[in-house]
Formats: sequence, C-alpha cells, structure tokens
Amino acid sequence: DAGVIQSPRHEVTEMGQEVTLRCKPISGHNSLFWYRQTMMRGLELLIYFNNNVPIDDSGMPEDRFSAKMPNASFSTLKIQPSEPRDSAVYFCASSLLFHEQYFGPGTRLTVT
Amino acid sequence: GQQVMQIPQYQHVQEGEDFTTYCNSSTTLSNIQWYKQRPGGHPVFLIQLVKSGEVKKQKRLTFQFGEAKKNSSLHITATQTTDVGTYFCAGEGTGFQKLVFGTGTRLLVSP
Repeated sequence: DAGVIQSPRHEVTEMGQEVTLRCKPISGHNSLFWYRQTMMRGLELLIYFNNNVPIDDSGMPEDRFSAKMPNASFSTLKIQPSEPRDSAVYFCASSLLFHEQYFGPGTRLTVT
Repeated sequence: GQQVMQIPQYQHVQEGEDFTTYCNSSTTLSNIQWYKQRPGGHPVFLIQLVKSGEVKKQKRLTFQFGEAKKNSSLHITATQTTDVGTYFCAGEGTGFQKLVFGTGTRLLVSP
C-alpha cells in the first residue's frame, strides 16, 4: 500500500491567492482527517470525515477554509483567500474509525 | 472542550539515559494513542491503550494508561540517537469523540 498521499508537498503562494491541498487516503479507510501543524499552536485538527461526510469542522479557523470529500479516495482542503498566518504544514490522515491514524507526508504551505 | 497536555515540552538527554513523558487529559478518555514524529517527518502511530491501568511494552518503550483513564506516560529505557523526535499522546473522549493530540514532548539525544 502506498500510504496516504498528499499533494503538493510544498506550496509557496502570495497573499490573496487560492490554495488547494489534496489527499488520497489509504484504500479501505473510512475516516479522513485534516490537521495543521505550527510551532506556536502544535498539531490542530481542522476537520474530519466519516464515510465521506463531514462530522466535525469546529477546528476550521474561519470561512476562508473549506474541505470536501467527493468520494472515498479523494479529499481537498481549500484556502481562499490565503493569508501569511496560514503558513504551516498541513497533514492529511486516514483511519478505520476509532483506530490508529495514518498520516501523509504533509504539505508545507508558505504564504508571502 | 477536551484538552491534553504533555510535560515536559522538551528534554535533552545523553545517549543511554532514560526518558519519560507524561500526558494529562482534562476529561476521562476511552483510549489513548501515542505517536512519534521525526524532525521534518509526519506523526507515526506507536501504540494504543484502552484499559484502565494498562501497561504495554515495545522493546525499550513502556506505555502506561492511568487507573482513572485521564493520564498516560511513555518511558524509554537507555535512549538511543534514533529515539530523537517529538512524542505525542492523543486522547479520544468517551462517546465517539474526536482524537485530541497533546502538546508533544520534543526529545533530543546526544551521542
């Protein structure tokens, strides 16, 4: 199994631009999680899906952030418009619900 | 909401010394998981504890879940340079709640 796949691995963009992060979970997993990691705030859960349905989006910072999971093998996290304070590493993870989570390699986002 | 704190935030040891990180939850947990993140890497699952008072070992690593299911610890015996990284606990509340990650303990091991 290839594990959780994320793209791009690195993204540098200018403030105000739209950013789309992509994730392919491990086949057969029914839960998908988006996390953001920064030195100041640590590892934060943004949103998670179970069977493609968003269950808890209370961690999404504000309306500029949105996430979708159109099918069991693909999810996106979109930031529009992006701001410098959005710079962070964004991780996607998948699991069978209530079991261990498998993290992707992350996307390092830099907003200038 | 549920909060999970870890201490210490950072520890620097000499190779061969022991290391312990402690995890405390503000609420009772249904289970606790431990993850390790190497510098520049992503969190990798180590173990899950479910039962009150449970103790599990993985080679030099010993994991404990408290009797009240609100705290946990990870102890590494005779650290090696390969143990370098940040160790996170992650607690799941009762009643199908989401996993909340602790603040992490960064371990540095000098040869």
